[in-house]
Amino acid sequence: KNEVEQSPQNLTAQEGEFITINCSYSVGISALHWLQQHPGGGIVSLFMLSSGKKKHGRLIATINIQEKHSSLHITASHPRDSAVYICAVASPLEYGNKLVFGAGTILRVKS
Amino acid sequence: ETGVTQSPTHLIKTRGQQVTLRCSSQSGHNTVSWYQQALGQGPQFIFQYYREEENGRGNFPPRFSGLQFPNYSSELNVNALELDDSALYLCASSLRPGSSYNSPLHFGNGTRLTVT
Repeated sequence: KNEVEQSPQNLTAQEGEFITINCSYSVGISALHWLQQHPGGGIVSLFMLSSGKKKHGRLIATINIQEKHSSLHITASHPRDSAVYICAVASPLEYGNKLVFGAGTILRVKS
Repeated sequence: ETGVTQSPTHLIKTRGQQVTLRCSSQSGHNTVSWYQQALGQGPQFIFQYYREEENGRGNFPPRFSGLQFPNYSSELNVNALELDDSALYLCASSLRPGSSYNSPLHFGNGTRLTVT
């Protein structure tokens, strides 16, 4: 079992739909990151969370530390949101300085 | 403020050869981490460099080695290339080793290595 699990693996949505991507992890963490990766490979940091909820534009990220679960929501999705979304966790106790990544969710938004 | 830059963007090598990948960290960042991302998978931690010393290593063999220079730029060297080394290699810089716990991450665009 992977230390960080994402679901779904693939997601196709129609423009304007509300999208949810989930991330579950198995150890106590100090921070969770949501990242966006476009086909060229470059990774952009979307959010860094240690508790609660953060919002930036149409993106919302939530985390439940007790349940070891985080969600990324995209409201009013647009074709330019098409990308791979990756969550990564930081746990100095378990992992030292390294981050552990999920396998990513491939999102395609159709117009 | 300059971002994280990696070179080259693409590289094709033959099995058994050696390769050097380069990363310039974001201005003010003294820590560089390297990751390997195979197709369809999330990045895997290779190692981290802080103030020119290795500061943590993932589950990669010794033929993966690195360097960090006084200006905090970094190199990843891979000897005796194998077909399975084909991947996207990403570097990320940060203000200090533990800052992934409380700061956003800054990644380069990666080097895509193909081993034939």
